[in-house]
Amino acid sequence: EVQLVESGGDLVQPGRSLRLSCAASGFTFDDYAMHWVRQAPGKGLEWVSGINWNSNSIAYADSVKGRFTVSRDNAKNSLYLQMNSLRAEDTALYYCAKGAVEIVATTLKDWGQGTLVTVSS
Amino acid sequence: EIVLTQSPGTLSLSPGERATLSCRASQSVSSSHLAWYQQKPGQAPRLLIYGASNRATGIPDRFSGSGSGADFTLTISRLEPEDFSVYYCHQYGSSLLTFGGGTKVEIK
Repeated sequence: EVQLVESGGDLVQPGRSLRLSCAASGFTFDDYAMHWVRQAPGKGLEWVSGINWNSNSIAYADSVKGRFTVSRDNAKNSLYLQMNSLRAEDTALYYCAKGAVEIVATTLKDWGQGTLVTVSS
Repeated sequence: EIVLTQSPGTLSLSPGERATLSCRASQSVSSSHLAWYQQKPGQAPRLLIYGASNRATGIPDRFSGSGSGADFTLTISRLEPEDFSVYYCHQYGSSLLTFGGGTKVEIK
């Protein structure tokens, strides 16, 4: 059974940094692309970033480009999101999602339960 | 970036009725790389349809997807009580993935 468990969400002041993690199990991690998707309170889904199986192809939404960095450690079956220069509009539940195949341009087949990031002074 | 526009924003129907949800893209979606998700309150999204018309594993056959190019539709043939939820379309035709704004299907 695929399991994705996010962690690292917290209350943080504007301008500060935070690092999210996603621990994956139940599948061969380095066979699949991985993504971060967020959902602001009461709002819709927003794709944030995706990384292919070997980290050679990475993409970001315009809203986070230059501030967020996605990475993965296939030896640890883990996905990360380094978030810098956080803004109030980054407040959201952040989901880790597993792609259906190894490339970034893929549907999102399995999802974690999310970790909450709140940016406020 | 491909912008996805879903309509209507809210659909008020009764159990047993047919639901038709629309998703229009700002440009053609490559290879019909269009998916639909269902999200219930407090839960993560669940993949329903991929490749515009393929049901994901375990999805009942009352859910069907159709369309190509820039116009796509999700149809729920007969609404069950558990189908009242929010539905999102999602394009993955390029590395810049995007979601529609969602359609809420509520009980009339």
